[in-house]
Amino acid sequence: EAQVTQNPRYLITVTGKKLTVTCSQNMNHEYMSWYRQDPGLGLRQIYYSMNVEVTDKGDVPEGYKVSRKEKRNFPLILESPSPNQTSLYFCASSWTGGVQGYTFGSGTRLTVV
Amino acid sequence: SQQGEEDPQALSIQEGENATMNCSYKTSINNLQWYRQNSGRGLVHLILIRSNEREKHSGRLRVTLDTSKKSSSLLITASRAADTASYFCVPYLTDSWGKFQFGAGTQVVVTP
Repeated sequence: EAQVTQNPRYLITVTGKKLTVTCSQNMNHEYMSWYRQDPGLGLRQIYYSMNVEVTDKGDVPEGYKVSRKEKRNFPLILESPSPNQTSLYFCASSWTGGVQGYTFGSGTRLTVV
Repeated sequence: SQQGEEDPQALSIQEGENATMNCSYKTSINNLQWYRQNSGRGLVHLILIRSNEREKHSGRLRVTLDTSKKSSSLLITASRAADTASYFCVPYLTDSWGKFQFGAGTQVVVTP
């Protein structure tokens, strides 16, 4: 089944403890992206990647890192999480920058205390 | 802003009724896409309409596009409780390569 898989589904962590949210897709998509969703603010793009080793900042990149060493994987790294990064995170992938539409993962609900 | 703006913000209807929501955007588009999000779940791509199309159907969904008014509408016919979700329109801009922004969405509640 074609899908985008995020892990973990839920995560509670403490301020300052480095964490990684993984994202993997099995559709051979070139394009991958991370979003966060917060009440009243909608979905905001954090980072995106047009292909392997090519990444760029979205609208809210501060406090996050990404890497794209393989086509299928696009992990989101929080080097020193803070409570304002408590959010619902989504990974998405597509052909050709989303012109044909995105496939989204199921989301990761992160709580930083 | 590159995002679409959905209207109304919220819509409450009964099962069997039709639900209509609108989307406005500001610049030239390659296409316009509609997504659905059930509460707390991932977004699902519903339908895409190209800039040279005026209407498109998919099952109970009907999408229209008026590029002269920079607007689109999504009609869900014969609504079901399972249609309860937030709906987002995303204008895919001609030069937006990589940037893909979502608005606040229309929250639809379908009651039995």
